[in-house]
Amino acid sequence: GQQLNQSPQSMFIQEGEDVSMNCTSSSIFNTWLWYKQDPGEGPVLLIALYKAGELTSNGRLTAQFGITRKDSFLNISASIPSDVGIYFCAGYQTGANNLFFGTGTRLTVIP
Amino acid sequence: NAGVTQTPKFQVLKTGQSMTLQCAQDMNHEYMSWYRQDPGMGLRLIHYSVGAGITDQGEVPNGYNVSRSTTEDFPLRLLSAAPSQTSVYFCASSLGHIQYFGAGTRLSVL
Repeated sequence: GQQLNQSPQSMFIQEGEDVSMNCTSSSIFNTWLWYKQDPGEGPVLLIALYKAGELTSNGRLTAQFGITRKDSFLNISASIPSDVGIYFCAGYQTGANNLFFGTGTRLTVIP
Repeated sequence: NAGVTQTPKFQVLKTGQSMTLQCAQDMNHEYMSWYRQDPGMGLRLIHYSVGAGITDQGEVPNGYNVSRSTTEDFPLRLLSAAPSQTSVYFCASSLGHIQYFGAGTRLSVL
């Protein structure tokens, strides 16, 4: 299957710090999505990106669709304890119905 | 707002047993899918359906069967459970590119 590489795998940060994570692929994607998974729950969509270079915000979250269409980035500003969870990137390729997921970034926020 | 409902939430099976994981959605979405989540591997697609009566294989279909007799329901069957099928299973339905996930079924096969 398609490989989406996320980094870092895990992060431990202090409350109030900013967070950056990214997702890369060897193939081109035409849609990038970022999901968050809370413990014991299913993933929930945070941000959807549809065009190369697109920059979209959702509150303290900002995501970008990379110019090469092979990567995407997620930033969280001024982290708070409820930001704890696993963040997944996901993407669709042209003409494909199926969503490919990254391996996830596990975020821990220390109060 | 029910959304996507999965049952059971937890299940323990012995090797060789069979069971069905249930998934139902009330959003009238045509597309539904099943994923498994394993540590360090993200979510991998098992089977999907683009509408009632139509199913297809995903990335890791071996050992699993599905059927889609109605728009609302998309059950996942394990005919003969194996320890390698110990995982967390998520069902999703989608409108366009946005997938909505259930809360998951945590399955252990001993």
